[in-house]
Amino acid sequence: EAQVTQNPRYLITVTGKKLTVTCSQNMNHEYMSWYRQDPGLGLRQIYYSMNVEVTDKGDVPEGYKVSRKEKRNFPLILESPSPNQTSLYFCASSLGILRGTDTQYFGPGTRLTVL
Amino acid sequence: KQEVTQIPAALSVPEGENLVLNCSFTDSAIYNLRWFRQDPGKGLTSLLLIQSSQREQTSGRLNASLDKSSGRSTLYIAASQPGDSATYLCAVMLGGQNFVFGPGTRLSVLP
Repeated sequence: EAQVTQNPRYLITVTGKKLTVTCSQNMNHEYMSWYRQDPGLGLRQIYYSMNVEVTDKGDVPEGYKVSRKEKRNFPLILESPSPNQTSLYFCASSLGILRGTDTQYFGPGTRLTVL
Repeated sequence: KQEVTQIPAALSVPEGENLVLNCSFTDSAIYNLRWFRQDPGKGLTSLLLIQSSQREQTSGRLNASLDKSSGRSTLYIAASQPGDSATYLCAVMLGGQNFVFGPGTRLSVLP
């Protein structure tokens, strides 16, 4: 089954404790992306990647890192989480060959709480 | 900076009605526009994609239009059903393959 998986689905942590949210897709997609969704602010793009070893900042990259060492995985790293990073996070992927014209597939989301 | 807005923020209609959701964007330099639906507690599902050169796209009971020059898109849902209840989001894709999303319209279709 074609899918985007995220782990963990729920996470409660404390300020300053490094964490990684994993994202994996099994569709051989080139384009992958991370978003955060907050009430009243909607979905905002954090980082995206057009292929292996190619990453770019979205609208709200501060406080986040990503890596794309292999095509299927695109982890989101919070080196020193802060309470303002409490949010619902989504990973997405698409074939991405024709400048992102292909369907985007979203993961189920990771609800992160930083105390 | 590109901004995307959606009107109304919430909409409640009886089953069977036709309805229109609106999406506006401030900068017409977009590559395409997408409509998604999001069910509570779940990720987004792609509905329709309109290229910047296109005027509309149809899929089943859904029809999306795009007027790039005026910065507007509409999503028309025909003969609404309770299963259509969800939040509908529009998103524009910019030159660098990055996306800007609208805040969404929460739709409730009452049986």
